[in-house]
Amino acid sequence: NAGVMQNPRHLVRRRGQEARLRCSPMKGHSHVYWYRQLPEEGLKFMVYLQKENIIDESGMPKERFSAEFPKEGPSILRIQQVVRGDSAAYFCASSTNVRGAFFGQGTRLTVV
Amino acid sequence: GNSVTQMEGPVTLSEEAFLTINCTYTATGYPSLFWYVQYPGEGLQLLLKATKADDKGSNKGFEATYRKETTSFHLEKGSVQVSDSAVYFCALAPTSGTYKYIFGTGTRLKVLA
Repeated sequence: NAGVMQNPRHLVRRRGQEARLRCSPMKGHSHVYWYRQLPEEGLKFMVYLQKENIIDESGMPKERFSAEFPKEGPSILRIQQVVRGDSAAYFCASSTNVRGAFFGQGTRLTVV
Repeated sequence: GNSVTQMEGPVTLSEEAFLTINCTYTATGYPSLFWYVQYPGEGLQLLLKATKADDKGSNKGFEATYRKETTSFHLEKGSVQVSDSAVYFCALAPTSGTYKYIFGTGTRLKVLA
């Protein structure tokens, strides 16, 4: 049973470009969460999704960031017009319920 | 609000030494508490958890006890190995909105042979 798969592992974008981060949850998991880890900080909650629904996006910046979890395919975290401050590690997690999430390896975004 | 504070690293130990990584929390109600480990180049792995006061989580020789009176969840291992070198994160899941895990900043452990 494959774990939570995130890709790419590393992503470099120039300021102003778009970043798309993908997350395939574990088989049978219908809850997906995105967290961001800024340098020297802990992981911070961004958004919680179920299939085709955003349940809680209270941790997501109001502008430039969006997330989706379509009926088919992976969950996508999209960052438009990236800035240097978006450089971070983005972790996806999945679960069958709201406790005991499994995390992916993360995508390290570098904005140059 | 909810928060987690864990000791800063790095922590450097010799093989077979005793390990303690302190973690204290602030939360309303009865959160669940977790320790996650991140090995180099890998994602976060759940190491152990405790869901109520006085519970002891244990796995791979690691233990942590949920102490409500001291609001602590310290991670311990009696004899560390080089393979335990990793970053350890303490986290809590609040009573409400249990998916909004609150993480500490992580403690890097380096074990020398």
